[in-house]
Amino acid sequence: GENVEQHPSTLSVQEGDSAVIKCTYSDSASNYFPWYKQELGKGPQLIIDIRSNVGEKKDQRIAVTLNKTAKHFSLHITETQPEDSAVYFCAAGYHNTDKLIFGTGTRLQVFP
Amino acid sequence: IAGITQAPTSQILAAGRRMTLRCTQDMRHNAMYWYRQDLGLGLRLIHYSNTAGTTGKGEVPDGYSVSRANTDDFPLTLASAVPSQTSVYFCASSEEGAGELFFGEGSRLTVL
Repeated sequence: GENVEQHPSTLSVQEGDSAVIKCTYSDSASNYFPWYKQELGKGPQLIIDIRSNVGEKKDQRIAVTLNKTAKHFSLHITETQPEDSAVYFCAAGYHNTDKLIFGTGTRLQVFP
Repeated sequence: IAGITQAPTSQILAAGRRMTLRCTQDMRHNAMYWYRQDLGLGLRLIHYSNTAGTTGKGEVPDGYSVSRANTDDFPLTLASAVPSQTSVYFCASSEEGAGELFFGEGSRLTVL
């Protein structure tokens, strides 16, 4: 089955700097790669996703890149702000959500 | 807009006791899920239901049961709780079992 590894487990950056979180997956058949943000005391919330037919997707300050050959994908946050502080989860799987496997999470802290 | 409502938000339970975590959604989504979140392990799928009347096993189903009598409700039952079931439990839903997951705010369960 699918296995997802996520790095780093914690990340601290200065406000305004960029943050990058990386994930690798094992199942070459996976075709759906979402990223979720979890604020303290809340449930995770989808922030961006990418499907295997594209290599990059952007939404304002966040972007996701996918390298299917190497089986890794990354989340990029530019011009970080204190409100970006949260735990971020990557996931990999198929279009059907019951087959989605989550990474172990990255705690991002943005210092003013 | 309520979305996903979970109850209780927090519970301390003696080992061996039976416990049901409740989950209700008002989005008329067909698919619902139960995840557990543990530090260093991320989110792991316990059980899911793609439509009312059907359920399926996720990655870590042992010790848990679910039912889906109607579209809105998806309770999770621990028949005889054990300390290893101490965790934060998240209920989620999605349209047609694919794409974005909508999470509740979680139920923190401690089994002593």
